[in-house]
Amino acid sequence: EVQLVESGGGLVKPGGSLRLSCAASGFTFSNVWMNWVRQAPGKGLEWVGRIKTKHAGGTTDYAAPVKGRFTISRDDSKNTVYLQMNSLKSEDTAVYYCTTDFREAYFGSWGQGALVTVSS
Amino acid sequence: EIVLTQSPATLSLSPGERATLSCRASQSVSTYLAWYQQIPGQAPRLLIYDASNRITGIPARFSGSGSGTDFTLTISSLEPEDFAVYYCQQRSDWPPYTFGQGTKLEIK
Repeated sequence: EVQLVESGGGLVKPGGSLRLSCAASGFTFSNVWMNWVRQAPGKGLEWVGRIKTKHAGGTTDYAAPVKGRFTISRDDSKNTVYLQMNSLKSEDTAVYYCTTDFREAYFGSWGQGALVTVSS
Repeated sequence: EIVLTQSPATLSLSPGERATLSCRASQSVSTYLAWYQQIPGQAPRLLIYDASNRITGIPARFSGSGSGTDFTLTISSLEPEDFAVYYCQQRSDWPPYTFGQGTKLEIK
């Protein structure tokens, strides 16, 4: 059974940084592209970014609102994907979900989410 | 960026009734569209991909149709556990992948 467990959420001041982790199990992690999707309180879903497998080049893509501030990385030896968030703004307040990629751009399996609150 | 518009925003129906949810794209996405279900307090779940293909384990009462700019998710006979928020998502023109704003399916 696929399991994705996010950690690292919390309260951070505007301009601060935070790193989320997502530990994966139940599948061959190194073979799967991974995504981050967020959901602001009471709002809809927003794709944040994606990292491909090393076999596919390990490249990343980001949504415009986070490009240059957020960085996705992966450690296949630890079956973990990370989301480094810098220069955080109040509008980054959301639940952040890590997801597996399905057919190169849908979101197959989801974690339970990690809440990030950016507030002074 | 492709904008997805879902209608209605809220749909009030009773168990056993048929639900029809709409998703319209600002430009053609071919059949590169998915539907997700989100029960309050839970993560979303992928139901349908490529407009009409059900994910393994999703009940047959869920079906998707459409191509180009107009898509429909149909739930043939509502069960109590189907009352949730439903999102469409396109993968035709990326990045970014975009979602609709959601349709809330509530019990009448």
